[in-house]
Amino acid sequence: AQKITQTQPGMFVQEKEAVTLDCTYDTSDQSYGLFWYKQPSSGEMIFLIYQGSYDEQNATEGRYSLNFQKARKSANLVISASQLGDSAMYFCAMRGSYNFNKFYFGSGTKLNVKP
Amino acid sequence: EAQVTQNPRYLITVTGKKLTVTCSQNMNHEYMSWYRQDPGLGLRQIYYSMNVEVTDKGDVPEGYKVSRKEKRNFPLILESPSPNQTSLYFCASHRSGGVNTEAFFGQGTRLTVV
Repeated sequence: AQKITQTQPGMFVQEKEAVTLDCTYDTSDQSYGLFWYKQPSSGEMIFLIYQGSYDEQNATEGRYSLNFQKARKSANLVISASQLGDSAMYFCAMRGSYNFNKFYFGSGTKLNVKP
Repeated sequence: EAQVTQNPRYLITVTGKKLTVTCSQNMNHEYMSWYRQDPGLGLRQIYYSMNVEVTDKGDVPEGYKVSRKEKRNFPLILESPSPNQTSLYFCASHRSGGVNTEAFFGQGTRLTVV
């Protein structure tokens, strides 16, 4: 069974500091992809970053990086130099090779950036 | 511009009154899905389609119908809405094959059934 777990329902971070959002996953697929999406208060889902299960390097996209620890089945999102506009809900998601049609989502983490 | 377009964005309806939420994508994607988002549960798949005339149930299909008559369109139909279908709905599309292609989401439809 595929499962994504995000254990932090809400987090606070001071503006300009770095923050790590946790994500662990469970899958029996050998090949899979891990994704992070941002959902601002306006509601849309914004793709942030992708990590493949066979990628040896951690993915980075601007201020976003993914701390991928395959043996621990974790794919934490690191946001550096937080900005007020980073306040949003963040979802970790996975797509496996056995079932291409589906993305499995965690329950999300609500991040609040304090000025 | 590559996009998935859902309509309407907001909808308040009464129990039992049939409604349709439209979804259209302009990226020629084979795969399209409907998800519902509920607090504490993340997004759960309702139905998906792998191509025209090919649809199948996701994790929470009860009370919903879909159709895929054209590649770009994937409407969600609630034949007899009930209050437990009050939720935020997303249509998504992505390319077939591989695990490395992200899903593109519509703007969401916030549905309230009273």
